[in-house]
Order: sequence, then structure tokens, then C-alpha cells
Amino acid sequence: QLQLVQSGAELKKPGASVKVSCKASGYTFTLYGISWVRQAPGQGLEWMGWISASNGDTNSAQNLQGRVTLTTDTSTSTAYMELRSLRSDDTAVYYCARGSSGWPHDAFDVWGQGTFITVSS
Amino acid sequence: SLELTQPPSVSVSPGQTATITCSGDKLGDTFVCWYQQKPGQSPVVVIYQDSKRPSGIPERFSGSNSGNTATLTISGTQSVDEADYYCQAWDTNTGVFGTGTKVTVL
Repeated sequence: QLQLVQSGAELKKPGASVKVSCKASGYTFTLYGISWVRQAPGQGLEWMGWISASNGDTNSAQNLQGRVTLTTDTSTSTAYMELRSLRSDDTAVYYCARGSSGWPHDAFDVWGQGTFITVSS
Repeated sequence: SLELTQPPSVSVSPGQTATITCSGDKLGDTFVCWYQQKPGQSPVVVIYQDSKRPSGIPERFSGSNSGNTATLTISGTQSVDEADYYCQAWDTNTGVFGTGTKVTVL
């Protein structure tokens, strides 16, 4: 069954880090890429970054560069997103989504169920 | 950098046509896709590469893209189509989402 299954919700304090996992199944992991998208409560979708599961190429949104790290473990078909120096405005649902392994990029055709990260003291 | 602007809301009567626009500089030079998101659910792609429908998406969903504007059209809108809709494109290796449009079926 084609799916992306994400790790569970977390509560973090400001300044801490969080690492969200996204385990793929039902397809050949290394033929695609994974993007990460977040959505703050009541807000729109925000693209965070992309990683190619084929060769590890990655890019992240300019406003997150320096705080976000995207990685993959091809042995377990799992993608990871680590966000550091958490702030209250990082509180959001974080999604992983399947896309192209490189340029030209295409639509996100499979999405994870979302992981709610709350940042609060 | 690419920015995509959508109207905040669109209202439509059942059976009528809903039109959602997505504006961005030279948007017609790149592919646009559209996502539907219902409350508490993950987004679902309804149009990719400007006008293609994924398997399982009803024919009433169609898309176009030219100049600075991409358009999602829902013909014969049904109550189940009430949701938020987002356009999305790529600026080289950077993904960009539109501001989102809430479609209300009155």
C-alpha cells in the first residue's frame, strides 16, 4: 500500500530541537524525493524543503536555512526533518509529501498524515 | 522570488461553476498544480502539470495556466467540494504555495 507514515505529535520547549520521521512504503523510495510542508493553526501551507532520496540533493526555504536539516535513510525508506532553535511560531502540523527525485519537479502525489509539533514553555 | 496570490474565498451555489485564480510573475512559464484540503485532513492533489487530473479525481475539476495566472475550475460544484484549495509551483528547486482559497458551497 502506497503510503507515508509520520511519527507522533510532540511538545517542545522554546530553543529545543525536534526530529520528525516519515516512513515510506509501497514504492521504490530512491526513485522519488520528499518535501516537507508545514501548516500553522488556521494558516496556509508553507513549503519547508526538499530532499532527493536518489542522491541526497536538498534545498530548504530561505527563511528556515540554518535551522532545518533534511535527511534520508534509504535502508529503511525513511525521511527525516530536524528543526532546531524552536520558537512558538514553529507550532504547526508538519507534513511529508512524495515528489520528484530532482528537476523538473512535479506535484506531491502522496502525503503523510501530519505531525503536530507544539512549541510552548 | 516567486509569490503566488489567490483570492481568500470563493462562494458558489451547488451545480454552478467555481473559478479559483492563482497569480504570479510569469507563472505560465512553469507547471502549476492544485491541492484540495478539507478540515483535519492532509492535502490531496486535484490537478498537476497545469491541467492533468490524477486518477480518481472527478472530471469536474479542470485547470489552465497562461501568462501570469493559473486557474482551477470546478464545474457542477458539489457540497463535497467545499474545502481549501492551494496552488503550487516550483521556482527552480524551491517550492511555493499560493495563499489559499476557501471554497464555500452555499
